[in-house]
Amino acid sequence: GAVVSQHPSWVICKSGTSVKIECRSLDFQATTMFWYRQFPKQSLMLMATSNEGSKATYEQGVEKDKFLINHASLTLSTLTVTSAHPEDSSFYICSASLVSTDTQYFGPGTRLTVL
Amino acid sequence: SQKIEQNSEALNIQEGKTATLTCNYTNYSPAYLQWYRQDPGRGPVFLLLIRENEKEKRKERLKVTFDTTLKQSLFHITASQPADSATYLCALDIVYKLSFGAGTTVTVRA
Repeated sequence: GAVVSQHPSWVICKSGTSVKIECRSLDFQATTMFWYRQFPKQSLMLMATSNEGSKATYEQGVEKDKFLINHASLTLSTLTVTSAHPEDSSFYICSASLVSTDTQYFGPGTRLTVL
Repeated sequence: SQKIEQNSEALNIQEGKTATLTCNYTNYSPAYLQWYRQDPGRGPVFLLLIRENEKEKRKERLKVTFDTTLKQSLFHITASQPADSATYLCALDIVYKLSFGAGTTVTVRA
């Protein structure tokens, strides 16, 4: 149980284009989903927290207009990287939890490379 | 600001020995602490959660301790196996969010 999937697992795009990453909780309803970014050999850094049906809460330093998050249902959240640039290349990981303070179940991650 | 430090970036150990990883934190008193395993190119996998009022937690060959006075958690892998080779992350709940350490990469030699 508690399986979270992400799609795509990797994506390569040209600078200036937008990329959408999906995060799904497959066997449970997630009241809260989280989006993280991880650069090589570094820790996971929380980008934003999203609750179903409400606006995401972004961490300090994360541009909400650049990283659009939609949490339209209890099983799906999407992260859209708009006007991507090479510095946005990273490993993006989502997680989901039943209650915001409970254990988080992580997706397998999406490797984004912006050329 | 809160700071989370994991003792070393890498730990090499002989199969069958016990690996001990350290997670130290400052400037916060978390209600609980979690340990995750992360394999290369994959998302973290939850291993254990220990609450502030618990001293020790075990799961199969894994043992976690939590000393809120020292602000430290120890993570032990006993009878280590090559399949235990991975990066292990500690995470603290800080204002209902998880804050992660940079991880310790464990390599178990056969």
